[in-house]
Amino acid sequence: GAVVSQHPSRVICKSGTSVKIECRSLDFQATTMFWYRQFPKQSLMLMATSNEGSKATYEQGVEKDKFLINHASLTLSTLTVTSAHPEDSSFYICSLAPGEGQETQYFGPGTRLLVL
Amino acid sequence: GNSVTQMEGPVTLSEEAFLTINCTYTATGYPSLFWYVQYPGEGLQLLLKATKADDKGSNKGFEATYRKETTSFHLEKGSVQVSDSAVYFCALTMDTGRRALTFGSGTRLQVQP
Repeated sequence: GAVVSQHPSRVICKSGTSVKIECRSLDFQATTMFWYRQFPKQSLMLMATSNEGSKATYEQGVEKDKFLINHASLTLSTLTVTSAHPEDSSFYICSLAPGEGQETQYFGPGTRLLVL
Repeated sequence: GNSVTQMEGPVTLSEEAFLTINCTYTATGYPSLFWYVQYPGEGLQLLLKATKADDKGSNKGFEATYRKETTSFHLEKGSVQVSDSAVYFCALTMDTGRRALTFGSGTRLQVQP
């Protein structure tokens, strides 16, 4: 299967700062990328979907101005948490999908964000 | 809306024991169903899937049958190994074109030698 990396794996920051999380596909080009977040003992919740060449589509309740997603290339997506607050502390996971018509997603190992 | 409910963990078993992890779903139509596994320090990996009622997904000794009448997709394995220790997620999608997944909360399995 495909390999997806995330960086950093863990980040601690002060309230009010911005944090950028990178998601890279190491061996295939991804036309679609997803960002999920997971609170302790809860489900992964889809935050947004981005397709190559278009803006991200955000799920209901997710602030697009707070969680900036940039599908920079077919192998890189970034999630920037702007002006982070303690309630943004969570586990953020990206997944990448190859071309149309394929159900399989390939997930990164996740980034744990702690906002003090 | 759509939702997935799976049993809380952790589930602790001895090696070679029988495993069942329950998963039920709520959906407005006919979803595709998945089991994903996350080994320590790694990303989620697709374990198996089923796309229509009565389909059985299987992989690495794991099986799950899509039961429309009970809206369930329970994961089973006849004889677990220490290497099966991981977190298991049940998930569904209603839109294979968009491929967005709705996940359960995950069940941690610990297999002791």
